[in-house]
This record gives sequence, C-alpha cells and structure tokens, in this order.
Amino acid sequence: GQQLNQSPQSMFIQEGEDVSMNCTSSSIFNTWLWYKQDPGEGPVLLIALYKAGELTSNGRLTAQFGITRKDSFLNISASIPSDVGIYFCAGPISNFGNEKLTFGTGTRLTIIP
Amino acid sequence: NAGVTQTPKFQVLKTGQSMTLQCAQDMNHEYMSWYRQDPGMGLRLIHYSVGAGITDQGEVPNGYNVSRSTTEDFPLRLLSAAPSQTSVYFCASSYSGFYPSPLHFGNGTRLTVT
Repeated sequence: GQQLNQSPQSMFIQEGEDVSMNCTSSSIFNTWLWYKQDPGEGPVLLIALYKAGELTSNGRLTAQFGITRKDSFLNISASIPSDVGIYFCAGPISNFGNEKLTFGTGTRLTIIP
Repeated sequence: NAGVTQTPKFQVLKTGQSMTLQCAQDMNHEYMSWYRQDPGMGLRLIHYSVGAGITDQGEVPNGYNVSRSTTEDFPLRLLSAAPSQTSVYFCASSYSGFYPSPLHFGNGTRLTVT
C-alpha cells in the first residue's frame, strides 16, 4: 500500500522550544491532513490542507502543503506540556473524500522537564 | 454528545476465538471506518463504509468482516483470532464528501490474542 514517511520518529524537547516535523510520500496527494493523538485516545484533526503551497495556522501550529504535492510540514511554536502526543500526517489514497485515508507512522513528541 | 463509542475498551482472546468489536456514532455520519494501530506502523485501514448497506476493503482486511445495516453502527468481526491481530482498534466516522472531512475517532479497543 501507499506509504507516508514521517520524520523524525520521536522528539525530545524542552518546554518553550519550537518543533518541526515533516511527512513525505512517493505519490502525489491532493489533500494533506495533520492529526494528533493524546495517550489513550483516538486521533483528533489539527489542520487540513487542500492546495499545493498552502500555509495554514491553528494557534501555535502551522502546516504547509508542499509545492511538489508529495510532502507536508508541521511546525509547533513555543511548545507547552499539552503538546505531548503522537502527530500523524494523513492523505486520501483515492481522489474522493475519506475513502482509503492513509496515515503516516507518526512523530512522538515528548517534553523534557 | 457521545460522538463515536467503541466497546469493549479491553479484550483478551485465545487463538481461534471469535468476537465482535462494536462501534456506534450518533452524529448521522455517512462514512465509517476501522483502523488498527501497531507500534511503528501508524494507523492502517481495515474496512470502511460510505453508507448503510455499503462496505469496502481497506489496506489490511484479511481476517476481519464488517457489515453496515444502519447508519449508526459499524461492527468489526474477528472470525478466528490470531496473535497477529493483537493491536489497538479505532473506529472513525465523518461526513461523506469530495474533500476529506474531519474523522471523529473513538477511544479505541485494546485487543490481545494469546
């Protein structure tokens, strides 16, 4: 199946630091989605990107849809303890809605006290 | 607001046993899906449904069956459990449309097969 590769796999940062992670694919995507999973819960949508080159913010989070349509980036500014969790990128394999939405392998964010 | 409800939260099965993981949503969403989450592999799509009476296979459908007799419910059946099916299972739902709408996930069922 189609693979979305996320890097880094894990990050250990101090509170207040900025965070950058990315997601790459061997295929073109028309939509990029970023989800966050808190421990013991299901993922929650953070940001959706629908156009190549698009830059979208949600509070301290900013995501970009790569120009090549094969990658996307997520940045978190001034990290706080509640940012801890696993961040997933996702995109639709088909060209219609949520059918066959594929997820990346995730980036686990840990904040060191 | 209940959202997406999954039961049970935890389950231990012996190899060869069968069981059904329940999923219900109260948001009148047309689209429902099942994912499994394994360490280092992210979320992989098992089966999905775009409406009552319609189901299709995802990325890893072998060993699982689904049905969608109502809009609200989308149960996942394991016919003969195997240790390789030890995982965390998530059900998700959303509005159906051209652009992906936010998936609403349940809190998962943690299944161990011994």
